Amino acid sequence: QVQLVQSGAEVKKPGASVKVSCKASGYTFTSYYLHWVRQAPGQGLEWMGIINPSGGSTTYAQKLRGRVTMTRDTSASTVYMDLSSLRSEDTAMYYCARGGKEMATSLVDYWGQGTLVTVSS
Amino acid sequence: QSALTQPASVSGSPGQSITISCAGTSSDVGRYNFVSWYQQHPGKAPKLMIYDVNNRPSGVSNRFSGSKSGNTASLAISGLQAEDEADYYCSSYTTSSTRVFGGGTKLTVL
Repeated sequence: QVQLVQSGAEVKKPGASVKVSCKASGYTFTSYYLHWVRQAPGQGLEWMGIINPSGGSTTYAQKLRGRVTMTRDTSASTVYMDLSSLRSEDTAMYYCARGGKEMATSLVDYWGQGTLVTVSS
Repeated sequence: QSALTQPASVSGSPGQSITISCAGTSSDVGRYNFVSWYQQHPGKAPKLMIYDVNNRPSGVSNRFSGSKSGNTASLAISGLQAEDEADYYCSSYTTSSTRVFGGGTKLTVL
């Protein structure tokens, strides 16, 4: 069965960076795009970006460009989300989620369990 | 990219039908048939309910349906059940190949 398993909770100081991992299993890793979505406490969902695990190409939300980097390790079926220059507003639950086989689709069918990132001095 | 516009809350009694709207622009909802809807219970990850405007993933009840007219998409839920009480989010593909979410709608089953 399809599973996305994320790394554990993180506590970071303002200005630091955080790297969250998402290990995929149960399907062909390179055949489906992967999204990152975050949710601040009590707030709505915010789309962060998407990565094509096959070639590694990425598209990021304009708001986060320059601070977010998404990468993948095909040998480990794992994608990574690196967010730098952290501020208190980055405190949120971070989710990875499987997209479709094409870039242009709204299909996002499997979600990781979420990783809580807390930014506090 | 501005968030899509959803009502903050909707409510209905068991057995009734409700509709949640999702207003976008000609750069997202109005331009592409790539609108999806998610259900989220407290403390849980979102669950896909509808994709590409009106497609239901396997396992999702046929009480849930999606549609679109112009720049506005809608999620309809018929035969409301207590377990439908949750937050609902719409999302759309955009002209810059990004995605945008709505602000979310809290559904209360009275």
